[in-house]
Amino acid sequence: QEKVQQSPESLIVPEGAMVSLNCSFSDSASQSIWWYQQHPGKGPKALISIFSNGNKKEGRLTVYLNRASLHVSLHIKDSQPSDSAVYLCAVRGGNYKYVFGAGTRLKVIA
Amino acid sequence: GPKVLQIPSHQIIDMGQMVTLNCDPVSNHLYFYWYKQILGQQMEFLVNFYNGKVMEKSKLFKDQFSVERPDGSYFTLKIQPTALEDSAVYFCASSLGWGVYEQYFGPGTRLTVL
Repeated sequence: QEKVQQSPESLIVPEGAMVSLNCSFSDSASQSIWWYQQHPGKGPKALISIFSNGNKKEGRLTVYLNRASLHVSLHIKDSQPSDSAVYLCAVRGGNYKYVFGAGTRLKVIA
Repeated sequence: GPKVLQIPSHQIIDMGQMVTLNCDPVSNHLYFYWYKQILGQQMEFLVNFYNGKVMEKSKLFKDQFSVERPDGSYFTLKIQPTALEDSAVYFCASSLGWGVYEQYFGPGTRLTVL
């Protein structure tokens, strides 16, 4: 059974700061990892995904995957108040399902 | 961008009654999912549905749960009978394919079982 752990649980940063979010997973065979953003009362929205070891950059977002250490991180550059939300890490296993972490609650203060 | 719609947004029913949650997925998507999220807790996978079949289900997908998508209509989650522990927000999602394809989530249906 895949387990996904996210840290920190919550984070408060000033506008313009670099934000780093962490996600650890248990199955080295996990085939892809997605990061989602969820605002209160809304469904999650996919931000960025990664399938291979290494990093991937899209706009202000960079994701790093290290399969050896079963760890993936999301970095948000130049954070904005509109980035305030819960960030979810979702790991796809070999079967037809995704396992979500409990999330990191981010607040960016203007 | 593509939108997934869910009807109703909120449903209140008495324990033991049947409830059907409706999802209108993105029109050309082929994979459909239901997730359960209890307030303040983790998003939990319930079921993955493709080509008229359940591809994968979790332990949370009890015998009282069923899913279907009759041609061209809503993707539905039916719970019969409901229990108090079924109270949660249920999210529907759809994707064009499996694996590398993004899941698009609906806004959720808040189910309250009294």
